[in-house]
Amino acid sequence: DSGVTQTPKHLITATGQRVTLRCSPRSGDLSVYWYQQSLDQGLQFLIQYYNGEERAKGNILERFSAQQFPDLHSELNLSSLELGDSALYFCASSEWTGGTGNTIYFGEGSWLTVV
Amino acid sequence: AQKITQTQPGMFVQEKEAVTLDCTYDTSDPSYGLFWYKQPSSGEMIFLIYQGSYDQQNATEGRYSLNFQKARKSANLVISASQLGDSAMYFCAMSPRNTGNQFYFGTGTSLTVIP
Repeated sequence: DSGVTQTPKHLITATGQRVTLRCSPRSGDLSVYWYQQSLDQGLQFLIQYYNGEERAKGNILERFSAQQFPDLHSELNLSSLELGDSALYFCASSEWTGGTGNTIYFGEGSWLTVV
Repeated sequence: AQKITQTQPGMFVQEKEAVTLDCTYDTSDPSYGLFWYKQPSSGEMIFLIYQGSYDQQNATEGRYSLNFQKARKSANLVISASQLGDSAMYFCAMSPRNTGNQFYFGTGTSLTVIP
């Protein structure tokens, strides 16, 4: 158990719909990352937050948005869903002390299927 | 630009034998971390091992060791005494210090342990 909690673990939704994925980082971790993993794209970095502030943005679509709340949990919102958005969405967290040994620990992921 | 390359899409190893999974990287940052993660078929991403760019000795964690060759920019994972439970996808990752704890992942290597 990495200590990173993601909900829901599985969800199936229709095209055009909107879903919210939730993540609670490990205790003490201030940095949260979101990744998308699909068969054809591999592991894609979406966005990173540090202590409530957006730190870095990757290949995140405009239909997707995220935020990190004062209690450090994070949510990834996916809207106007398309079949191609079906993927495993990971949240990861790290404490990030500024050095190079800040391991990121992944949650179990949220399997999203768009039908 | 930061880049991680895993050239072996799939590998097979006999149970109880050792196996090396290749990883090369490219960064202009002199300070960086190198990581390996394991992803079993159940989907979760499990942290295995970390190596800092200034570490003089190769990292080891149980049956895992990281063969770090800085001049060649390689960070190969060595798994000794393979077990059936080692069958999984393995991802190499790099985190340069100046990127604010950004993680760059390779495309992964699928390892199958044969009884």
